[in-house]
Amino acid sequence: AQTVTQSQPEMSVQEAETVTLSCTYDTSESDYYLFWYKQPPSRQMILVIRQEAYKQQNATENRFSVNFQKAAKSFSLKISDSQLGDAAMYFCAYSNTNAGKSTFGDGTTLTVKP
Amino acid sequence: IAGITQAPTSQILAAGRRMTLRCTQDMRHNAMYWYRQDLGLGLRLIHYSNTAGTTGKGEVPDGYSVSRANTDDFPLTLASAVPSQTSVYFCASSAYPWETQYFGPGTRLLVL
Repeated sequence: AQTVTQSQPEMSVQEAETVTLSCTYDTSESDYYLFWYKQPPSRQMILVIRQEAYKQQNATENRFSVNFQKAAKSFSLKISDSQLGDAAMYFCAYSNTNAGKSTFGDGTTLTVKP
Repeated sequence: IAGITQAPTSQILAAGRRMTLRCTQDMRHNAMYWYRQDLGLGLRLIHYSNTAGTTGKGEVPDGYSVSRANTDDFPLTLASAVPSQTSVYFCASSAYPWETQYFGPGTRLLVL
């Protein structure tokens, strides 16, 4: 079974600084998808960024980028120029076409200090 | 476009009562999911449906049932509520099971 591990239950960052959230996963598949979702205090879960495993280029979305290391099965999220609105719980997730559903990590709570 | 709607927003329920949480999506997504999230913790999958007419069990299915009679609706029923089912319940959908999930706003349930 696939597993997703987020080893940092809590992280904090100073406003305008950069922070990296870690995620590792375990799979025997070669073709799969990885996601970072954000859950702010409002509880509404939204997609931050997505990566297809067959793409070697790391995905980026404005201030959010990933470091995808396929051999190491690592998928970290880098948030640049952190803003107060980035404070949230961040979930890493994995899926593939055979699994039928996604597997989520336990989440990392990010605090942004003004 | 509303995306995913859930009802009710919140509910206080007496133990032993039956309750159905409603979930409707207007994106014509094939797959739908129910998760529970206990305070400060992560998501746990209760049940899922990869297409209308089919359902599957997640990691915490006991005490819950679902049906998927059509593409848009995926209700979750608690047959006889217990206090341990106090949680926030999220419905989600995706075009295909491996694709990005879109989440509803959640239902906060308190079972006394």
